[in-house]
Amino acid sequence: GNSVTQMEGPVTLSEEAFLTINCTYTATGYPSLFWYVQYPGEGLQLLLKATKADDKGSNKGFEATYRKETTSFHLEKGSVQVSDSAVYFCALTGRGTSGSRLTFGEGTQLTVNP
Amino acid sequence: DTEVTQTPKHLVMGMTNKKSLKCEQHMGHRAMYWYKQKAKKPPELMFVYSYEKLSINESVPSRFSPECPNSSLLNLHLHALQPEDSALYLCASSQDSAGQGGGEFGYTFGSGTRLTVV
Repeated sequence: GNSVTQMEGPVTLSEEAFLTINCTYTATGYPSLFWYVQYPGEGLQLLLKATKADDKGSNKGFEATYRKETTSFHLEKGSVQVSDSAVYFCALTGRGTSGSRLTFGEGTQLTVNP
Repeated sequence: DTEVTQTPKHLVMGMTNKKSLKCEQHMGHRAMYWYKQKAKKPPELMFVYSYEKLSINESVPSRFSPECPNSSLLNLHLHALQPEDSALYLCASSQDSAGQGGGEFGYTFGSGTRLTVV
């Protein structure tokens, strides 16, 4: 079946530091890949997505590139802010009989200190 | 309108109560979902409705009863819950219906109902 593995957290950074959160996946065929963000006390928001190999998703300074050869979709941001403190979930939707079922990684808690 | 609206935001209920959670979207999405999320964990899928029909029930206990009155509304009826059912309940919707593959548009999530069972 499909699965997503994220780097374990929590991650603590100083403001303006570089962020990488690793995400690798296992899926048959060509899944679509997503990063969702959950701010404290809120639901999940779609941060960015990529639907085919070598696509780069980007939003709010965050980027992730769909790497089929390494089955990875690592999240990066060049300069984090305190307001980026949240939990980040890597996710995928498969194709075929599993349809658009969303499979999540375990989530990575990010704390950015001023 | 690009939102999924959930009410109430917070709910405290006793183990003998009956309550309902509500979810509404006006994006024309044909698939709607209920998820349960415990603290520091990813959301767990409970139910999927596709074109207003229940298509997936992830072996959820019968004390949770979903209902989809129309293409914009999704309810979750709660009865005789246990304290371990306390969690954040998230509703989501998507353009493509479950089972057809793809899912390239992603899901839109509501902000959730924080449920406490006492």
